[in-house]
Amino acid sequence: QLQLQESGPGLVKPSETLSFTCAVSGGSISSSSYFWGWIRQPPGKGLEWIGAINYSGRTSYNPSLKSRVTISVDTSNNQFSLKLSSVTAADTAVYYCARHFSYVLRGNTYAGHLDFWGQGTQVTVSS
Amino acid sequence: QLVLTQSPSASASLGASVKLTCTLSSGHSSYAIAWHQQQPEKGPRYLMKLNSDGSHTKGDGIPDRFSGSSSGAERYLTISSLQSEDEADYYCQTWAAGIHIFGGGTRLTVL
Repeated sequence: QLQLQESGPGLVKPSETLSFTCAVSGGSISSSSYFWGWIRQPPGKGLEWIGAINYSGRTSYNPSLKSRVTISVDTSNNQFSLKLSSVTAADTAVYYCARHFSYVLRGNTYAGHLDFWGQGTQVTVSS
Repeated sequence: QLVLTQSPSASASLGASVKLTCTLSSGHSSYAIAWHQQQPEKGPRYLMKLNSDGSHTKGDGIPDRFSGSSSGAERYLTISSLQSEDEADYYCQTWAAGIHIFGGGTRLTVL
C-alpha cells in the first residue's frame, strides 16, 4: 500500500530556506506513470500547488513561486524533496507531498491529476 | 486564464443528497478536473477524476455514494445518502501543460 511521509523543519526564521523530504513506500518513485508533487495550505485557507517532478527529473512549478522553488528526486532512496528559499511569514502552512498521475501530450510528459496525498507537515516561519 | 470557481459553502441534511459545483473559466470547458475531500484536521483525499463527458475514475475505497457528472463548463460532485463523516471541505483541481490550480473549496455542512 502506497504511503507518502513528509518531513520538514517545523520552525524556520524569515529569509531562510525551507527544506522538505517526502519518503515514498509501497511503490516506486521510478515509475514512469507518475509525477511527485508538493502542495501547501496556509492556516484557514485553501490549497496551493507548488510544483512536481518525475523520476527523470522533469519538473513543473507554480509560476508564482518558481523563482524560489527547487524540487529534486532521489530514486536510489525512493524520495523527493522541496526547497523554498527566502521565506516569509506568508510561507507558513501545512506542506503536503502527493502523487500525480502522468500523461503525454504532443510528445511531452506532464503531471496530471493528483491521486494520492501524504498526511502533511506543519511549518511556521517566525523570528 | 484558467480558473476554477466553487461556492464557499453548502449544506444538506443527514441521509439526503447534495450536488457541489466547480466551474471552469471561459474557454476551458473541455478540461478534466479532480475532486478531493478534506475532513476537519486531516489531509486531502482524492475522490475522482472527472472528464468533460462525465466519465469519471474514482480513487480506491471511495464509496458508490460519491459520483461525478459534467455539463459544459460545470463539473459536479454528487454525494448521496449523506453521512456525518461527509462534512468536509471539497476542492476541485485542474491542470494545463503540467501547471495545476485548485478551486477555492466548498465547505459542506451536514445538518
